[in-house]
Amino acid sequence: DAGVIQSPRHEVTEMGQEVTLRCKPISGHNSLFWYRQTMMRGLELLIYFNNNVPIDDSGMPEDRFSAKMPNASFSTLKIQPSEPRDSAVYFCASSLGTGGNQPQHFGDGTRLSIL
Amino acid sequence: DQQVKQNSPSLSVQEGRISILNCDYTNSMFDYFLWYKKYPAEGPTFLISISSIKDKNEDGRFTVFLNKSAKHLSLHIVPSQPGDSAVYFCAASGMYSGGGADGLTFGKGTHLIIQP
Repeated sequence: DAGVIQSPRHEVTEMGQEVTLRCKPISGHNSLFWYRQTMMRGLELLIYFNNNVPIDDSGMPEDRFSAKMPNASFSTLKIQPSEPRDSAVYFCASSLGTGGNQPQHFGDGTRLSIL
Repeated sequence: DQQVKQNSPSLSVQEGRISILNCDYTNSMFDYFLWYKKYPAEGPTFLISISSIKDKNEDGRFTVFLNKSAKHLSLHIVPSQPGDSAVYFCAASGMYSGGGADGLTFGKGTHLIIQP
């Protein structure tokens, strides 16, 4: 079975540019999560969706960040405008339902570098 | 304020011996705890979990122990193998986790090195 698929794997862009990260969850999973990993803060949750509906976006750092899930098989995380401090690895994860008893399965991440 | 703490950034263990990775948490509202394993340039991979109503869960070479009164959990790997060399993350889930009701709150990870 295909796992969670993220694209691109690497993104290098100049500050001020718009960045769009993409995620395809595991088929049949109805919960989707976006995480960010930095050296200073480790892995932290940004936002999650249940049945395509955003449930909690309290982890989104600023209004420059937005996420959408137009259908069950696709989600985007957008940063506009991007800043150097947004440089991090961004992970998408999906699970069958919500709650800790439904383990989340992670994609391989997008390594984002903002110059 | 870190709600999930892994105080050992790295751990070196000889092949064949037991590896013990530790994790402490502060939020008594957490109700599930999970361990993930991560190789470089890959996403975290789910290993094993435990509900707060249990004190032990075992899966092959991996056992997780939970001590609720001490707010402490540990992952035991027996016997340790070279392929176990990776970063191990402890994570917790539950209400008021700071990650939303269903998001995961992660520790910063322990780099396990298995020496031949």
